[in-house]
Amino acid sequence: DGGITQSPKYLFRKEGQNVTLSCEQNLNHDAMYWYRQDPGQGLRLIYYSQIVNDFQKGDIAEGYSVSREKKESFPLTVTSAQKNPTAFYLCASSPGTVVTNVLTFGAGSRLTVL
Amino acid sequence: DQQVKQNSPSLSVQEGRISILNCDYTNSMFDYFLWYKKYPAEGPTFLISISSIKDKNEDGRFTVFLNKSAKHLSLHIVPSQPGDSAVYFCAASEPGQNFVFGPGTRLSVLP
Repeated sequence: DGGITQSPKYLFRKEGQNVTLSCEQNLNHDAMYWYRQDPGQGLRLIYYSQIVNDFQKGDIAEGYSVSREKKESFPLTVTSAQKNPTAFYLCASSPGTVVTNVLTFGAGSRLTVL
Repeated sequence: DQQVKQNSPSLSVQEGRISILNCDYTNSMFDYFLWYKKYPAEGPTFLISISSIKDKNEDGRFTVFLNKSAKHLSLHIVPSQPGDSAVYFCAASEPGQNFVFGPGTRLSVLP
């Protein structure tokens, strides 16, 4: 089955630690995205990548970093610089490089900072 | 300032009746709109879309209406089923730009 796999599903972090969330897709999609969901707010775009070895900041990129070394993988690192990292993180992908293509989402990763 | 608003955080509807979820936007450049459905602890799944050249799009029990002059769209679910209970997100985009999502409306369909 084609889809997007995010891991881990739940993650706990101590303050000051960096953590990396994994996102893998086997849909052969060119574009990949990271969103953050907080209660009462819409999904906010952190970073996106339309092709391998290239990515752009979204609306709330501060305190996050990404890499896109392979087409199928787009890991997100939540750094210690992110002031409020506790949230639900969603990875998505879309075919082609037209940003208005419909997004396919993974099941999400919930990060809790202790 | 939110460009995409869903002013009802929650909505309860009796099974078999119509569910109407509303979405308002402020950016007149938005020309493509999506609705996503999300169950707890899962990612959103695409439901239905509409472009600004249309005012209605229908897919089975789901119909989306777009009123460009009012900058308003709505999702109608008829008849509502208990499995429709989920959070529904509205999203909008300008040409060539990423989608902007609303905060979501939690729909509860009561048996």
